Amino acid sequence: DTEVTQTPKHLVMGMTNKKSLKCEQHMGHRAMYWYKQKAKKPPELMFVYSYEKLSINESVPSRFSPECPNSSLLNLHLHALQPEDSALYLCASSQDGQGQSEQYFGPGTRLTVT
Amino acid sequence: LAKTTQPISMDSYEGQEVNITCSHNNIATNDYITWYQQFPSQGPRFIIQGYKTKVTNEVASLFIPADRKSSTLSLPRVSLSDTAVYYCLVGDPRYSSASKIIFGSGTRLSIRP
Repeated sequence: DTEVTQTPKHLVMGMTNKKSLKCEQHMGHRAMYWYKQKAKKPPELMFVYSYEKLSINESVPSRFSPECPNSSLLNLHLHALQPEDSALYLCASSQDGQGQSEQYFGPGTRLTVT
Repeated sequence: LAKTTQPISMDSYEGQEVNITCSHNNIATNDYITWYQQFPSQGPRFIIQGYKTKVTNEVASLFIPADRKSSTLSLPRVSLSDTAVYYCLVGDPRYSSASKIIFGSGTRLSIRP
């Protein structure tokens, strides 16, 4: 199984809502990532978990809160988002946390903040 | 951090060989060079990775000169389904327990019949 799954595929939320994005992989990978991608732009790294510990936080606002319950799951909790947070949110995993590890990406969650 | 520069867009025709060049002047000694392909509304997909000289797999070749300040992704005999955005990345090994990957701006490749 070389698949990274993400749910939901689409999400519309108001600025006062709380929601969560979910990501799952069963490849035994020990590093997992959250990226944000705006239209016609490259993915921007948000968070990296390595061996279930948060190792990189790219100065992401606190309204985004990541969680790694176990080595197969990664969540992104959303609260009080702004319309400019509307984007495609991509999850990825890699075998380890080294720069030369191939990353496997999920299909993404298309988030719209109204 | 190693920053990459790629052409914004390229056009080609079915059956042609396409070469996309990426420059990464301040690549670090331990950095690898990786290329990803992305279709609209999908996550990026790994194409190929290399450290130096030439790497070839079933879909592409990667050419890296001795100074490693640039790299060229070569797609042999492209088809319409190769129309996508191609990203060049270099891996930052400074974080020993995690990977930090910076996507370049990407090259939008359009293939015509």
